[in-house]
Formats: sequence, structure tokens, C-alpha cells
Amino acid sequence: EIVLTQSPGTLSLSPGERATLSCTASQSVNSNYLAWYQQRPGQAPRLLIFAASSRATDIPDRFSGGGSGADFTLTISRLEPEDFAVYYCQVYDISRPGFSFGPGTKVDIK
Amino acid sequence: VQLLESGGALAQPGGSLRLSCAVSGFTVSNSAMSWVRQAPGKGLEWISGLSAGGGSTDYADSVKGRFTISRDKSNNTLYLQMNSLRVEDSAVYYCAKRKKVVPSFDHWGQGTLVTVSS
Repeated sequence: EIVLTQSPGTLSLSPGERATLSCTASQSVNSNYLAWYQQRPGQAPRLLIFAASSRATDIPDRFSGGGSGADFTLTISRLEPEDFAVYYCQVYDISRPGFSFGPGTKVDIK
Repeated sequence: VQLLESGGALAQPGGSLRLSCAVSGFTVSNSAMSWVRQAPGKGLEWISGLSAGGGSTDYADSVKGRFTISRDKSNNTLYLQMNSLRVEDSAVYYCAKRKKVVPSFDHWGQGTLVTVSS
């Protein structure tokens, strides 16, 4: 089973700053199987990035994803007030088969 | 595209519940679907998936043998039958539609709360 770890656990930043979130898999993964989600309090998750670097529909271009192998990143170039939320990475594990989520990174206001 | 879960309730340990996810804007029988849960204050946990068309099912070890995913084409609804419930099954349960080509979830319902307690 592929295990995902995310760092940092909490990221305290100010609006306008750049956020860089990391997701590390316990083994190399197919980049097409790596996604990122945003979850605001009281809301369902929302798909931000699929296939490691492709933005989902209606996602602003301040969100970008990258990485390969076992190390992936989500970057928010300039934080807007609505971006303060929890972010999860997700991988599809074809050997199980099934999906795994990372524990999440909370981006909060400094 | 809309997904609307229902059926969440308070249940006793060892009891059963059936969750429903009514969808609109797409055909549930032609789409791969999943259930994902989130315990209070915790992260996301994928628990079950149903493939498009063919009906292949997958389950997380935590629910295998106790939960069953299914769909009804006639009313465009996804279900999760939950048996032998445990306290640790308490969570908000989301249904989610999987993207066609890449394995990620592009549409989610608002969730339904299941509480298992005596």
C-alpha cells in the first residue's frame, strides 16, 4: 500500500505570500495518479490538480502542481483569503486497487 | 452535475445503515463512483469504489466484508450498505464521481453524517 506524507502539517502565511506544500509517497508513483484537493471548513473537498500538474476546471492559475517519482508539490503563487484551507494529496494505488489520501496540510492566516 | 447524499443517522454498534447518493447531470451507470469518509476533525479516507459500466467493486480493508457499494440505474443513485457498524465508522460520508481518464474525483456531494454510538 502506498502511504502519503504531507509537509508541513500547518503553514502559517499572510495573504499575498507564496505557499509551497509537499507530498511524499512511500514509493514511486505514476504521476497520472496524483491529485490535490482543497477543503474549506464545513465543505466537501474540491479537486484542484489532477495528473500531478493539470488544473481542474475553474481552478485559478495561481494554483500549480509539479513533481515526479515520489515527491510532489502544490504551489499557490499568491494567497487569496479564500485559499486558507486544508489541502490533501491523493494517489491511486493500482496494486490494491484503491485510493490513498495524505494527512493534509492546513494553510492558515499568520 | 450534482450529487446529494442522504441516509446518515445515529446507529448502534453492530447495526446497519444504507446511504444514498442521488446524482444529476450525468449517468451513474456510466461513471466510476466512490465513497470517501472523514471522521470528525480527521483526514479523508477512501472506502469503496464502483467501476463504470462493468460493476467491479473495491473496498478498503477497514470496511471489507461489512460494506457494499451498488447503484440503481433506474433512479440514477449510488448506495452504500453499511452492516456491522463500529464506533470507528462514525464520519461524514461523501460520494464522489471519478474522472474518466485519470483516477481523481472531480465532483463531490455535500456529505452525510453517520454516528455510531450506544
